[in-house]
Amino acid sequence: DQQVKQNSPSLSVQEGRISILNCDYTNSMFDYFLWYKKYPAEGPTFLISISSIKDKNEDGRFTVFLNKSAKHLSLHIVPSQPGDSAVYFCAASVNFGNEKLTFGTGTRLTIIP
Amino acid sequence: GAGVSQTPSNKVTEKGKYVELRCDPISGHTALYWYRQSLGQGPEFLIYFQGTGAADDSGLPNDRFFAVRPEGSVSTLKIQRTERGDSAVYLCASSLEGSGLRNEQFFGPGTRLTVL
Repeated sequence: DQQVKQNSPSLSVQEGRISILNCDYTNSMFDYFLWYKKYPAEGPTFLISISSIKDKNEDGRFTVFLNKSAKHLSLHIVPSQPGDSAVYFCAASVNFGNEKLTFGTGTRLTIIP
Repeated sequence: GAGVSQTPSNKVTEKGKYVELRCDPISGHTALYWYRQSLGQGPEFLIYFQGTGAADDSGLPNDRFFAVRPEGSVSTLKIQRTERGDSAVYLCASSLEGSGLRNEQFFGPGTRLTVL
C-alpha cells in the first residue's frame, strides 16, 4: 500500500507564476516530512522539510504547508524559474528522525519560459 | 567536497548472475542507506547502516539481497541469482548521524541495474 501519495504525475507552470505540488499520506505515525528534487541522472537533493509540530516552513522561494488533520502537505514555489523543472518527491518518516524515508511516486514539474 | 559516489553507474547482467554495487559515502557520515527506485516509482527503502551494523534491514525484499559495511565507510549491496524484476536504479545515501531532526540524507547518482 502506498503510504505517501503524489496524485499528480506532472505539472506545467508558466515562468514567474506559483507552482503548487501536493502530497497526501495515510500513516498517522509520520511526524517529519521532506521534499526532494531530482534532475535526470542525478540523485535526489534535499529541498525543504517540516516537522509535525509546525504547519508552515519557509526557505526563500520554497514554502511547505502541513495540514495534519487532512494528512496533506504541499510545496509552493514562487516565483517559478526554469531551473525548477525537475521531478519532486515528497517523503515522510517517524520519530522525528529520518532513518527510513517513505517516498511518494513523484511529480514532474515543467516550467514554461 | 566530494559527495556520495556509486559505482558502477550502469550494470547490465544476465538473469541468474551475481552483482555487487558499491557506495562511497561522504567522509565522516556515520549513517548509510540503500534505496531502490523502479520505473515510475519513488525510491523505496532497503537497508540502513549506523556505523558497521545494519540498524534496519526491513526493506530488503528477500534473502537474495545482502549488504555490508565492514569498516563503517564504503558499503556494498550484493544481489544473488538476479531476476528481471531486480532491474531498477539503486540509490545510496549518507547522513552525518542516523537520527535527529533535520538529519539530511545526501544521495548519490545511483547505479542503474538491468537484468536481461
